Amino acid sequence: KAGVTQTPRYLIKTRGQQVTLSCSPISGHRSVSWYQQTPGQGLQFLFEYFSETQRNKGNFPGRFSGRQFSNSRSEMNVSTLELGDSALYLCASSIKGQGAGYGYTFGSGTRLTVV
Amino acid sequence: GNSVTQMEGPVTLSEEAFLTINCTYTATGYPSLFWYVQYPGEGLQLLLKATKADDKGSNKGFEATYRKETTSFHLEKGSVQVSDSAVYFCALTIPNAGGTSYGKLTFGQGTILTVHP
Repeated sequence: KAGVTQTPRYLIKTRGQQVTLSCSPISGHRSVSWYQQTPGQGLQFLFEYFSETQRNKGNFPGRFSGRQFSNSRSEMNVSTLELGDSALYLCASSIKGQGAGYGYTFGSGTRLTVV
Repeated sequence: GNSVTQMEGPVTLSEEAFLTINCTYTATGYPSLFWYVQYPGEGLQLLLKATKADDKGSNKGFEATYRKETTSFHLEKGSVQVSDSAVYFCALTIPNAGGTSYGKLTFGQGTILTVHP
């Protein structure tokens, strides 16, 4: 059974540009969450999608957005990139959105570097 | 708000030593608790979980018991191996009345474990 797939693995962008990251959850998982991991702030929750609807959102500026498609694949977009957006972006999926009981399965992440 | 506090690292041990990584939490509500492990260059892997008080999660020789009275979920292993070298994260999520948690995990800061032969 395939795991959570994130593409691309590595990305280098220039300040002011925008970027789109992709996440394909495990087959049958309908909930997809996104996290930002940095050395200074650790792991921080960005948002969660279930059946194409955003159900939860963390404390990030509006430059960070996401969406989910009917096949449960999700994308996140960061506009007007800043140096501080350099991070590992992790996607996680869970069965039926009931992550509490089942845990979350994470992808390997996309390493974004903003120069 | 909700928070997770892990013991300061890094932790350096010799192979076959006993491991304890402390984790305490504060939560508004009844959390589910997790330990995740991150190997270099990889994402997070679920190591073990517990969803109610006194539950013991276990996997690959690691164990942790959900202690509601002390709000703790300490990770232990009786005999570590070099291959256990990684970063370990304690995390919680608060399910709502319907049992969902809308994706949000709150993580501790992570503890780096290095095991020497």
